Amino acid sequence: GAVVSQHPSRVICKSGTSVKIECRSLDFQATTMFWYRQFPKKSLMLMATSNEGSKATYEQGVEKDKFLINHASLTLSTLTVTSAHPEDSSFYICSARDPQGGGRGDTQYFGPGTRLTVL
Amino acid sequence: QKEVEQDPGPLSVPEGAIVSLNCTYSNSAFQYFMWYRQYSRKGPELLMYTYSSGNKEDGRFTAQVDKSSKYISLFIRDSQPSDSATYLCAMSDNNAGNMLTFGGGTRLMVKP
Repeated sequence: GAVVSQHPSRVICKSGTSVKIECRSLDFQATTMFWYRQFPKKSLMLMATSNEGSKATYEQGVEKDKFLINHASLTLSTLTVTSAHPEDSSFYICSARDPQGGGRGDTQYFGPGTRLTVL
Repeated sequence: QKEVEQDPGPLSVPEGAIVSLNCTYSNSAFQYFMWYRQYSRKGPELLMYTYSSGNKEDGRFTAQVDKSSKYISLFIRDSQPSDSATYLCAMSDNNAGNMLTFGGGTRLMVKP
């Protein structure tokens, strides 16, 4: 149980285009999903918290107009990188909150990540 | 000073060794402590979850929390090459489903 998927796993795009990344909780309902960014050999940096049916909460320094987040259902959140530039190239990871945690209690489960390369 | 400090490694050990991974933290409000394992180019996988102080064991893995010292540890017994990965500690003051503060990760290499 507690499986989170992300699509696509890898995307290469030209500068100026927009890219959408999907995050799905496959076997549980996630009222909260989180989006992280990870640079090579670095830890995860929280970008935003996404709650189903409401606007996302962005961390300081994260441009909400550049990183659009939509959490339209209890199993799907999307991150759209608008007008992507090479500096947006990174590994983007989502996580979904499972209040039951598979018996472990309220916890987060992570998706496999999406590697974005902007040329 | 970062809220959560973790030695980045890399830590290289022979197969079968006992591995000790550690994190220190400064926020005394943290009550939930997690260890995640992340293979290269993959998402983090939850290994251990501990609430408050104490020990927790799951197979070859043991997590320890010492809140008085603000210090947590993950021990791996009989380490295997497949344990080679980056290990991230994470903490929360609310619950583990809410905002987590991560350590920088320790890269572990287990050599056959």
